[in-house]
Amino acid sequence: DAKTTQPPSMDCAEGRAANLPCNHSTISGNEYVYWYRQIHSQGPQYIIHGLKNNETNEMASLIITEDRKSSTLILPHATLRDTAVYYCIVRSGTYKYIFGTGTRLKVLA
Amino acid sequence: GAVVSQHPSWVICKSGTSVKIECRSLDFQATTMFWYRQFPKQSLMLMATSNEGSKATYEQGVEKDKFLINHASLTLSTLTVTSAHPEDSSFYICSADGSRNADTQYFGPGTRLTVL
Repeated sequence: DAKTTQPPSMDCAEGRAANLPCNHSTISGNEYVYWYRQIHSQGPQYIIHGLKNNETNEMASLIITEDRKSSTLILPHATLRDTAVYYCIVRSGTYKYIFGTGTRLKVLA
Repeated sequence: GAVVSQHPSWVICKSGTSVKIECRSLDFQATTMFWYRQFPKQSLMLMATSNEGSKATYEQGVEKDKFLINHASLTLSTLTVTSAHPEDSSFYICSADGSRNADTQYFGPGTRLTVL
């Protein structure tokens, strides 16, 4: 199973874009990159996922590098409610998710 | 869509008793559900994969006789913590493989278990 590496914490000013990086250098060709976030004492919330192409939905954008070894989750206009732990996960062929330590994002007023 | 519920949301029990936690997919059918546990300030750790109509697959180091999993229908999986001890106190979270967004897991809100 491909491992992911994320910075342990980041701060972002409210209203600004939050760019959360993730390294997954051992990813295989058919493995998807998923992003979730977990607000304190709740279950993880699905944000977005992708394989090769950049993806955008109502919550965020996902930029995957051409070699697929890293990706960036972009929250275009961060709000205080976006304060959470963000997890980048590579889904293996067995469909299991192996969670890393995630990035604790703090949005500052 | 793709809502997963858990019941109870929290439970306190005495040491030596058994506790059952239910995980339901409310608006979709899930052939596969997953059970995780999470200790304070730590990440989620996968415990087992639950497939409807068959035996669960446990991760290494997880005692299958202690954590009994039953996935009797396409919308319900249960986790029973048998003979609970204080070290079993944790946040238990289930997820279900979505239908509309294939292979995306949707998570329940979690169950906080405290064993006295």
